[in-house]
Amino acid sequence: DGGITQSPKYLFRKEGQNVTLSCEQNLNHDAMYWYRQDPGQGLRLIYYSQIVNDFQKGDIAEGYSVSREKKESFPLTVTSAQKNPTAFYLCASQGLNTEAFFGQGTRLTVV
Amino acid sequence: DQQVKQNSPSLSVQEGRISILNCDYTNSMFDYFLWYKKYPAEGPTFLISISSIKDKNEDGRFTVFLNKSAKHLSLHIVPSQPGDSAVYFCAFITGGGNKLTFGTGTQLKVEL
Repeated sequence: DGGITQSPKYLFRKEGQNVTLSCEQNLNHDAMYWYRQDPGQGLRLIYYSQIVNDFQKGDIAEGYSVSREKKESFPLTVTSAQKNPTAFYLCASQGLNTEAFFGQGTRLTVV
Repeated sequence: DQQVKQNSPSLSVQEGRISILNCDYTNSMFDYFLWYKKYPAEGPTFLISISSIKDKNEDGRFTVFLNKSAKHLSLHIVPSQPGDSAVYFCAFITGGGNKLTFGTGTQLKVEL
């Protein structure tokens, strides 16, 4: 089935540790995005990539890093520099001037 | 710099009535407009879209209106159903690129 997959669904991290969230799509979309949602807030853009081997910072990139080595994959690393990492993380992919398709999200909790 | 605003964080509507969700934007470079629906702990799902060359698009119970001069986008749901209760996000794509910008969301509650 075509779609976009995020894993894991739930993730726990100790303070000071880096953690990587996975996002894979088989829709042949060029663009991929990472958003963060906090309780009662909208979707804030962390990073986005319009093509392989290229990506741009979004509105809240500090404390995060990404890579886009393959068209299908856009992993997000939450580093220890991110002050408030506990949130719901959403990955999306998009074709040119079409709607974006979202994964089911990863709930990250710092313990 | 908030380019997209959904000024109503919540909206309550009776079943069968019309729900109207609003979105205002400042960036005149947006040329493709979308609405998404989101349930808790799930990814948003696409509802309906409109390009900047149109002022209305309809799909079943959902109609999106675009007023470019006022930089205003709205979503009408009629008749509203309890299953429509969710958070609704407007989203915009800038012309010439794929950057997708979201509004802050409006929580719609459809009551029996």
